[in-house]
Amino acid sequence: GQQLNQSPQSMFIQEGEDVSMNCTSSSIFNTWLWYKQDPGEGPVLLIALYKAGELTSNGRLTAQFGITRKDSFLNISASIPSDVGIYFCAGKNTGNQFYFGTGTSLTVIP
Amino acid sequence: NAGVTQTPKFQVLKTGQSMTLQCAQDMNHEYMSWYRQDPGMGLRLIHYSVGAGITDQGEVPNGYNVSRSTTEDFPLRLLSAAPSQTSVYFCASSYSITGVNYEQYFGPGTRLTVT
Repeated sequence: GQQLNQSPQSMFIQEGEDVSMNCTSSSIFNTWLWYKQDPGEGPVLLIALYKAGELTSNGRLTAQFGITRKDSFLNISASIPSDVGIYFCAGKNTGNQFYFGTGTSLTVIP
Repeated sequence: NAGVTQTPKFQVLKTGQSMTLQCAQDMNHEYMSWYRQDPGMGLRLIHYSVGAGITDQGEVPNGYNVSRSTTEDFPLRLLSAAPSQTSVYFCASSYSITGVNYEQYFGPGTRLTVT
């Protein structure tokens, strides 16, 4: 199956710093989703993107649907300790199947 | 709304045993799916359903069966458990418009160990 390349694999940052992560695919997608997963929990949807070039915010989080439709980016501004977790991207084309990245593990140092 | 619920939360099976993982959603979503999550592998699709009575295979369907008799429920059956099926299983649902499914919402997961 198709895998999305998500980077970086892990990040260790100081509280208050901004965070950037991205996801790339070899195929064109028409939907990009970003999730956060806390230990022992299911993924929680953060942002959904449906249009190339679209920029969408959810509080301190901002995600963009890349112009090529093969990538997406997630930024977190002014990180806080509760941002700790694993962030996943997911993409879909015209079919029914979502493809997931392998995740970015974020650690915020107080 | 309870969203997507899954039972049990934890399960230990012996090799060869069978069991059913339950999933229910109260959002009237047409699309439901089952994923397994393994370290370093992300989420991989096992089976999915676009509506009651309709199911299809995902990326890793072998060893699993599903059925969808109602909109709300989508159980996953392990026919003869194997150690390779040790994983965390997530059910998800999403709404769809004219056959196109949108954001997926996940349940809390079932942690399965096969010895």
